[in-house]
Amino acid sequence: DVVMTQSPLSLPVTLGQPASISCRSSQTLVYSDGNTYLFWFHQRPGQSPRRLIYTVSNRDSGVPDRFSGSGSDTDFTLRISRVEAEDVGVYYCMQTTHWPYTFGQGTKVEIK
Amino acid sequence: QVQLVQSGAEVKKPGASVKVSCKASGYTFTSYDINWVRQATGQGLEWMGWMNPNSGNTGYAQKFQGRVTMTRNTSISTAYMELSSLRSEDTAVYYCARRSPYGMDVWGQGTTVTVSS
Repeated sequence: DVVMTQSPLSLPVTLGQPASISCRSSQTLVYSDGNTYLFWFHQRPGQSPRRLIYTVSNRDSGVPDRFSGSGSDTDFTLRISRVEAEDVGVYYCMQTTHWPYTFGQGTKVEIK
Repeated sequence: QVQLVQSGAEVKKPGASVKVSCKASGYTFTSYDINWVRQATGQGLEWMGWMNPNSGNTGYAQKFQGRVTMTRNTSISTAYMELSSLRSEDTAVYYCARRSPYGMDVWGQGTTVTVSS
């Protein structure tokens, strides 16, 4: 199985400051069709996950532009340009390039 | 609007089975795969498998092979996930999610399954 490793696992941030989460995969996530099926989700306490980013860098509808995704091959990053209070929660990366689909362990973002 | 509405919480005894439903609305049910993901309390997300509502084809993570069955009823736009031989480690919130060509874009609200004697 493809192992997805996130870091850090805990991220205390100051409101208005940037934040960055890394996600590394144990195999390349480039699929045979040329796409890279790496996604980012945000989960607030007691809520379902919400997709933020699809195929590495595409923001979902309604996702603020302070969120951005980047990376390639096995190394990916989610950035928040200026953290707001509503951004707290756990962020997960996920790959669907390889069977079975796998998630990272999650990164908990909290306000300092 | 597009949504997935899941059935209510369940409490089961070890060894029993549970069947969770996921009713789709706001889109053509047979056009998108349904995936199932679970989350134990305080833990991360774990992908269980997928089902194509059009064909009924399924694919399960090896961990759940032999214990999970994903089915659907197209006449009521509803997907089901049945997990058998329940043990305490299966206590979790179970989510269904629609899989678009670019990943899981719509999630159900989750169903809590508690396995306890």
